[in-house]
Parts: sequence; C-alpha cells; structure tokens
Amino acid sequence: DVKVTQSSRYLVKRTGEKVFLECVQDMDHENMFWYRQDPGLGLRLIYFSYDVKMKEKGDIPEGYSVSREKKERFSLILESASTNQTSMYLCASSTPPSDVWNSNNEQFFGPGTRLTVL
Amino acid sequence: KQEVTQIPAALSVPEGENLVLNCSFTDSAIYNLQWFRQDPGKGLTSLLLIQSSQREQTSGRLNASLDKSSGRSTLYIAASQPGDSATYLCAVHLDSWGKLQFGAGTQVVVTP
Repeated sequence: DVKVTQSSRYLVKRTGEKVFLECVQDMDHENMFWYRQDPGLGLRLIYFSYDVKMKEKGDIPEGYSVSREKKERFSLILESASTNQTSMYLCASSTPPSDVWNSNNEQFFGPGTRLTVL
Repeated sequence: KQEVTQIPAALSVPEGENLVLNCSFTDSAIYNLQWFRQDPGKGLTSLLLIQSSQREQTSGRLNASLDKSSGRSTLYIAASQPGDSATYLCAVHLDSWGKLQFGAGTQVVVTP
C-alpha cells in the first residue's frame, strides 16, 4: 500500500515564525502536492512538484515556498507565518501515467497537519 | 475554468439503504476522475479512480460511473453501513500531472 506520512498531526506556531511541514512518500512517486483545506473553500492546491528540485505554483502559492531535494520528500515552508495560514495542510503523491493506454495517476493523501498560527 | 459540484451537500440514510452520490463538472475535457472519502479531522482516502477511457469502476460495495459528455459521475455504495459515514469528495484530474479540481463534498450519515 502507498503510504504518505506528514511530520506532525497538530502544530501551533506564532505569527512571524518560519514553519516547515514535511511530507514523505514510500512509493517512489514522481509527483507530489501540497494542499490546504478550509471550511467553505474546500481543497486548494498550493504547490506541486513533478521531479526532484522541480516545483510549480498551484492556485494559492503566496506566502509559501517548497523544497524537494529528494524524490520521497516534499517540504512546505511558511516563510513568516500569519494567522490567515491557520488551516489543515494535506500532502499527496502520485505517479504520472505510464503510457497512452494507461492513464492511471491515482493520487494518495497523507493524514494532514492541522496548523494553528497564533 | 472547471467547476465541480456535488449535490446534495449532506445526506442521511438508514443502514442497509443504497447510497447515490452525485458529482457534476462543467468542462467535459477532463483527464480522469477520482472519488475520495474523508473522516472528520483526517486526510483523504482514495476510493476509486475512473480513467478517461472508462465508463465505470468497481471496488467491493462501491461502483462509480463516468459520463464525460454530460459532465457527470455517480458513486454508488451498496447496502450502507454506519462505518460509511464520512464526507465523500469527487475530484476531476485536469491534466496528466495530476492537478485536481475538487467538489465541496457530500457529508453522509448512515443511521443504525
């Protein structure tokens, strides 16, 4: 089974702190994603990466950065945490389709990190 | 821009009844469609992925259909159980890289 793990289930930080959220997957997936989930706004993509050292902005990248130094690990960084970044953060991974006859790119999620910024 | 809608937002059924969950999307040019389950305060669990060339996918009591031309997918859960109580989310794959557009979800309660 695919396993995606996140470093913390709950995290409390203060405004202005630099925050690191870590995600590790054990299935050798090329693609990794960071989302945030908020009531009434649903899941929104922050950043994704399709290879080591590669990154692409999602829908809401402002205030965030990412790092992918190894294939299995994708980190989300809040450079200077603010109260509006209080949210549930979800990491996911997938493998790209193997060929035109098999477009299976099922995405698997971690357990989430509930971040509170005071 | 692709919009994904799930109606109803909430559903309550007695144990044993079949569940029918609906998902609609505005742009039929999707790559794949995936159904997830989310328990309160937890991450998402993948239930089924329907590839763009498929019409349906089955796993145990779950069956999902896809009609791209009409912009609809339906998730059927047979003989519901209290353990099926959760929020069910559908997500459209916008491209082969796996960028997803989520619906808001349907919150399901199965009463004993």
